Amino acid sequence: GIQVEQSPPDLILQEGANSTLRCNFSDSVNNLQWFHQNPWGQLINLFYIPSGTKQNGRLSATTVATERYSLLYISSSQTTDSGVYFCAPREYSTLTFGKGTMLLVSP
Amino acid sequence: SQTIHQWPATLVQPVGSPLSLECTVEGTSNPNLYWYRQAAGRGLQLLFYSVGIGQISSEVPQNLSASRPQDRQFILSSKKLLLSDSGFYLCAWSGQIMEAFFGQGTRLTVV
Repeated sequence: GIQVEQSPPDLILQEGANSTLRCNFSDSVNNLQWFHQNPWGQLINLFYIPSGTKQNGRLSATTVATERYSLLYISSSQTTDSGVYFCAPREYSTLTFGKGTMLLVSP
Repeated sequence: SQTIHQWPATLVQPVGSPLSLECTVEGTSNPNLYWYRQAAGRGLQLLFYSVGIGQISSEVPQNLSASRPQDRQFILSSKKLLLSDSGFYLCAWSGQIMEAFFGQGTRLTVV
């Protein structure tokens, strides 16, 4: 099956800082999603991004499918951005999750 | 709009007891349905997925089983729980565009 690597595994930021999270995957994929897992465990959809770039407020994502990676940009980080960020490429019918990046934004 | 319901939110069960977790989806028909488990250490592991009633694919051999008795209902079961079955169980659905949406999860502790 597909292998997914996310980096960095942990990230501590001061409020207001910017960051880039990376997701590498080992094989061709049909599409890719980014999720934010909040402290209560719920997975919140951030982006559905098979290729190209999308933006939603302070967050944006870019997927370069031919080079097998995706990036999540967080600008002007806020304490509410804290949590775990997962990328999940889809191969055929299922999503495969990386181990996530745990982000802590301090005031 | 589509919604996904998963219950219970938390569950404490003794070793050897049975398990039944239920997930239902509203507002869509013939969804793909998934069960994932998240153990300590963050990663989500796919347990089962279903593309239709009675069609179940298992990704990992384990002490669990899944059933899909109705189009929008997905059930995760065990006859006898093990300590290693503890974890956070998440149900998800996807439609034709294949974007997946997750329920709020069930935190299972086997004691």
